[in-house]
Amino acid sequence: DAKTTQPTSMDCAEGRAANLPCNHSTISGNEYVYWYRQIHSQGPQYIIHGLKNNETNEMASLIITEDRKSSTLILPHATLRDTAVYYCIVRVASRDDKIIFGKGTRLHILP
Amino acid sequence: NAGVTQTPKFRILKIGQSMTLQCTQDMNHNYMYWYRQDPGMGLKLIYYSVGAGITDKGEVPNGYNVSRSTTEDFPLRLELAAPSQTSVYFCASSYARGVYEQYFGPGTRLTVT
Repeated sequence: DAKTTQPTSMDCAEGRAANLPCNHSTISGNEYVYWYRQIHSQGPQYIIHGLKNNETNEMASLIITEDRKSSTLILPHATLRDTAVYYCIVRVASRDDKIIFGKGTRLHILP
Repeated sequence: NAGVTQTPKFRILKIGQSMTLQCTQDMNHNYMYWYRQDPGMGLKLIYYSVGAGITDKGEVPNGYNVSRSTTEDFPLRLELAAPSQTSVYFCASSYARGVYEQYFGPGTRLTVT
């Protein structure tokens, strides 16, 4: 699986859009970009995933650059409940053994 | 649906004791996983199962055993507990491998003293 690089922490004002970047410059053509988050003391929660097109669901949007070497997770209207560690993961769709979570970005939503 | 449930929520073990962490899912998922998360670290895969009767090792299987006799249940057995097994244990399930997301349980916080 390709390695990812994320900022250690970020702040965002409540009600504003939170934009979380992720670099994955060694991504290969068959690897997907996944985002999970982990709220304190809870299990990780799936947010969104994509291959090369931008994706949107009820939780967030995922913007992947044309060269696929980086992506941005967008939480459109952040709330205090979005305070969590956010993990960007790149993996091949056919892998069935593990998700390597890394250290992620600790997002603080400020009131 | 209750999703993925885990019991117990907390447990303290003495060195050398054994215990079973329970995991049940009601989503009819074929794939199930056990992870551990040490303080400030990411998750590491212990064991996984792609269906009833089939299990396989992950990154850190030593000191643990699993079984999968039904689709719903995937218990994790700790034999001869050691302080290095102090961690938070998460069970997860998914419908199919690869693209599909994994759903996680609330975790079991285990302390071995």
